[in-house]
Amino acid sequence: AQSVTQLGSHVSVSEGALVLLRCNYSSSVPPYLFWYVQYPNQGLQLLLKYTSAATLVKGINGFEAEFKKSETSFHLTKPSAHMSDAAEYFCAVSDTKGTALIFGKGTTLSVSS
Amino acid sequence: NAGVTQTPKFRILKIGQSMTLQCTQDMNHNYMYWYRQDPGMGLKLIYYSVGAGITDKGEVPNGYNVSRSTTEDFPLRLELAAPSQTSVYFCASSYVKGMSYTFGSGTRLTVV
Repeated sequence: AQSVTQLGSHVSVSEGALVLLRCNYSSSVPPYLFWYVQYPNQGLQLLLKYTSAATLVKGINGFEAEFKKSETSFHLTKPSAHMSDAAEYFCAVSDTKGTALIFGKGTTLSVSS
Repeated sequence: NAGVTQTPKFRILKIGQSMTLQCTQDMNHNYMYWYRQDPGMGLKLIYYSVGAGITDKGEVPNGYNVSRSTTEDFPLRLELAAPSQTSVYFCASSYVKGMSYTFGSGTRLTVV
């Protein structure tokens, strides 16, 4: 069965520091992988997606993620954090039938000045 | 350009009451989904639909029902509300099956 594991329920960084949010997946088929962001009291917005093209995927707001098959990872990074990046981030993988997305438990990113 | 619209945004129910959470999308997406979000647990799939008249259960369907009479609407029905159904409910739609969802803003439901 497909699953995703997000390491660290809470990550804190200083403004201007590197952001690294970790996601490992388990999949019996070549995966489609996604990162979503949720700002307080809002729905989820798509940040970026991996669909078996380039392994380095660039998304909105300066975020990017690298698909590493050997490590079954899809970590999200941003070179320099901004206060507006404070939010909850979810990694997701398509289920085996490609019917729906399976979400991780989420990582809350805090950014301090 | 409304996207996915959910109503109501907030609701308090008493144990045993019933209600319908409304979800409408204006993007002509065939695929629609209902998830619930609980703190620290991520999102769990309740039901999904691949088109008008076709629905199927997700991971946590017990206590819920859905219907899909039109492409636009995908209401979620709670019968006999229980405290365990206290959660934030999100509706989503997609153009391609299981890909790149557009989410609504959610319904926060409390059962007391």
